[in-house]
Amino acid sequence: ETAVFQTPNYHVTQVGNEVSFNCKQTLGHDTMYWYKQDSKKLLKIMFSYNNKQLIVNETVPRRFSPQSSDKAHLNLRIKSVEPEDSAVYLCASSWGGHYAEQFFGPGTRLTVL
Amino acid sequence: GDSVTQTEGQVALSEEDFLTIHCNYSASGYPALFWYVQYPGEGPQFLFRASRDKEKGSSRGFEATYNKEATSFHLQKASVQESDSAVYYCALSDTGGADRLTFGKGTQLIIQP
Repeated sequence: ETAVFQTPNYHVTQVGNEVSFNCKQTLGHDTMYWYKQDSKKLLKIMFSYNNKQLIVNETVPRRFSPQSSDKAHLNLRIKSVEPEDSAVYLCASSWGGHYAEQFFGPGTRLTVL
Repeated sequence: GDSVTQTEGQVALSEEDFLTIHCNYSASGYPALFWYVQYPGEGPQFLFRASRDKEKGSSRGFEATYNKEATSFHLQKASVQESDSAVYYCALSDTGGADRLTFGKGTQLIIQP
């Protein structure tokens, strides 16, 4: 099956903890993205990677860091989570370029208590 | 910066009604325009795109026409079904900027049988 896979589906943690989310795509794409979807369903780009190189880094807090081991994997680490980090984190991939459709994973829902 | 405005936060219709969801954009250059659909518990799915003035994109009975003069890309469907209930996002990718999607706030479509 070719798709975008994310783990875990859900994660509940306490303020100040560190969390890490995984994303893998089997579509052969060379560009991957992380988006944040808040409680109002607003979607905002956080990072994108092309062939393991960071090409977009929106003004997200420094406690967020993307990690890529190869073009099929893009993980997201959050050091010392805050309550406002509660959201759904969506991973996506594409062939890159402005006209390419992006394929999204199902998301990881983070709840910070 | 780039922005996408979706006027309707929620649209409620009956089956076989005509649907219009309004989308206007602001961007430098000549952006590519997209519609994505998100079902509960899933990531957004690409519906279709258009990349030049007067181009019509379409899929699954939905369509939209790129209107550069009006800076619009309104989504329409002639006869909605209950299975169309979802959140619809208009998005743009600015060819003059980095490879990323800028999304509108989304429109919740509710179809009553």
